[in-house]
Amino acid sequence: NAGVMQNPRHLVRRRGQEARLRCSPMKGHSHVYWYRQLPEEGLKFMVYLQKENIIDESGMPKERFSAEFPKEGPSILRIQQVVRGDSAAYFCASSPPPDRLNQPQHFGDGTRLSIL
Amino acid sequence: KQEVTQIPAALSVPEGENLVLNCSFTDSAIYNLQWFRQDPGKGLTSLLLIQSSQREQTSGRLNASLDKSSGRSTLYIAASQPGDSATYLCAVVGAAGGTSYGKLTFGQGTILTVHP
Repeated sequence: NAGVMQNPRHLVRRRGQEARLRCSPMKGHSHVYWYRQLPEEGLKFMVYLQKENIIDESGMPKERFSAEFPKEGPSILRIQQVVRGDSAAYFCASSPPPDRLNQPQHFGDGTRLSIL
Repeated sequence: KQEVTQIPAALSVPEGENLVLNCSFTDSAIYNLQWFRQDPGKGLTSLLLIQSSQREQTSGRLNASLDKSSGRSTLYIAASQPGDSATYLCAVVGAAGGTSYGKLTFGQGTILTVHP
């Protein structure tokens, strides 16, 4: 039973390019969370999605960032026109419905994004 | 706004020692508190989850306690081993407003080094 799969593990982009980060939740999980870990900072919540729905995006920057979780395929975090400050580790976590508040979230190994 | 603080920021101990990691949170309205382990370049591994109605949870050499009213949790590691070296993160799922959606608020972590 594969865990949460994130790809790529490492991603290098130049300023102004687009970055796409992918997350496949654990089998049977339909809830996905994205978190960001900036250098020297803790993990911060970005967005929470169910299949085809963004439920809570209160932690996501209003500009350049977007997320989706289509009916088929992985969840995608998209960063347009990247800047140096976007360099961070981005983690995806999934949890099972419906009792998600009583279950631990399962994390992927993250995508390390570096902006040149 | 919920804030989570972990003390100490770093801890170095000889193998075999028992140790305690501390976590405090500012808003006692939580659904649960979780302790994670993060190894360098890796994602997070869930260690223990304590529901808001519980006082403690145990798994092997690990014991976590929760005092919700005072906003504190401790992670006790017995007979530490070099393999326990990692960053330990405390996180809470807030209940304020009733719409937390399970998102985690993390502390900054405690970097633990257990030397032989």
